[in-house]
Amino acid sequence: GDSVTQKEGLVTLTEGLPVMLNCTYQTIYSNAFLFWYVHYLNESPRLLLKSSTDNKRTEHQGFHATLHKSSSSFHLQKSSAQLSDSALYYCALASSSFSKLVFGQGTSLSVVP
Amino acid sequence: EAAVTQSPRSKVAVTGGKVTLSCHQTNNHDYMYWYRQDTGHGLRLIHYSYVADSTEKGDIPDGYKASRPSQENFSLILELASLSQTAVYFCASTGGMGQNTLYFGAGTRLSVL
Repeated sequence: GDSVTQKEGLVTLTEGLPVMLNCTYQTIYSNAFLFWYVHYLNESPRLLLKSSTDNKRTEHQGFHATLHKSSSSFHLQKSSAQLSDSALYYCALASSSFSKLVFGQGTSLSVVP
Repeated sequence: EAAVTQSPRSKVAVTGGKVTLSCHQTNNHDYMYWYRQDTGHGLRLIHYSYVADSTEKGDIPDGYKASRPSQENFSLILELASLSQTAVYFCASTGGMGQNTLYFGAGTRLSVL
């Protein structure tokens, strides 16, 4: 079945350094949708960005990700981490227009001064 | 702005007791979901519904029941609460499956003692 892997459970970064959170997925379907959801403490999880287009960079709120179907990856990046980026980040997959979302295990990002 | 309201926000229950978590959405969405959040497991789908008076099992339905009496309301029921059901529970709604954005509630923190 479909699956999403986020290998890092916890990432701790110094403010100002680049962010890269890894996400790889498995599905037999070619038209998958990939998402990043962010969950800030004491808030509701919400969509950060999504994509279904191969090799196209998607950006939102300073973050960006590119779906690479050849490597089944959708890594989340930001050029310079801010203290306010500290949150739990989920990568998720919908393998088709009729599929439920499958979430990865989540990566907790902690940005320190 | 999409609105999903969960109640209660936190609850302490005794082992073997009955627990009902409630969710109300004003998004006019057909789909509603119950997820469980655990460290290291991410968000896992318990039950979902795409129409009133009908529910579907998700990936981890054992020990949980769901009820969708109307389009706006979706409840999660633990008939015999167990220690292993201590977790944070999130309700979400969306207009469809696949690429549609999930709108989450603020979560219910359940502790079973």
